Amino acid sequence: DGGITQSPKYLFRKEGQNVTLSCEQNLNHDAMYWYRQDPGQGLRLIYYSQIVNDFQKGDIAEGYSVSREKKESFPLTVTSAQKNPTAFYLCASSSSIDTQYFGPGTRLTVL
Amino acid sequence: QQPVQSPQAVILREGEDAVINCSSSKALYSVHWYRQKHGEAPVFLMILLKGGEQKGHEKISASFNEKKQQSSLYLTASQLSYSGTYFCGTEPLPNFGNEKLTFGTGTRLTIIP
Repeated sequence: DGGITQSPKYLFRKEGQNVTLSCEQNLNHDAMYWYRQDPGQGLRLIYYSQIVNDFQKGDIAEGYSVSREKKESFPLTVTSAQKNPTAFYLCASSSSIDTQYFGPGTRLTVL
Repeated sequence: QQPVQSPQAVILREGEDAVINCSSSKALYSVHWYRQKHGEAPVFLMILLKGGEQKGHEKISASFNEKKQQSSLYLTASQLSYSGTYFCGTEPLPNFGNEKLTFGTGTRLTIIP
């Protein structure tokens, strides 16, 4: 089955720790995206990548980092510099002629 | 700028109709509509392209007024399964492919029996 997977589904982190969220797709999509969603809010773009080994900051990139070493993978690291990291994180991918398709999301809670 | 959606929330009885609007301050290439259930990922409903026609999906259809930079989502004879939050995502002109979408703040739709 083609699709986007994110892991883990739930993640708990202590303050001051870095944590990496996984996103993998087997849709052969060139572009991948990371969004943050807070309760009752819309989707805010953190980072996106249109091609391997290249990525751009979105609207709220501070405190986050990404890499795109493989077409299929676009991991997101939430660093200790992110002041309020508790949120629902969504990964998406797209081809040049289609819409964005979302993974199931990771809910991050800072203890 | 983020597209503006209206209304912010609406409650309907099963079988009633609803219209959700999405308005942008920028000239648009496309509008993408999604529905999100609580705690789940957004699910793609349909895409409307500049110069395209009104689209439909079951009892859900949408229109795109390029001049007004607006799109509307129409839900007819609503079902309980239509409950959720609806988001529009807009793609501005000019378009070079794989452009990022800017999402609206969402419209929460509640269908009651």
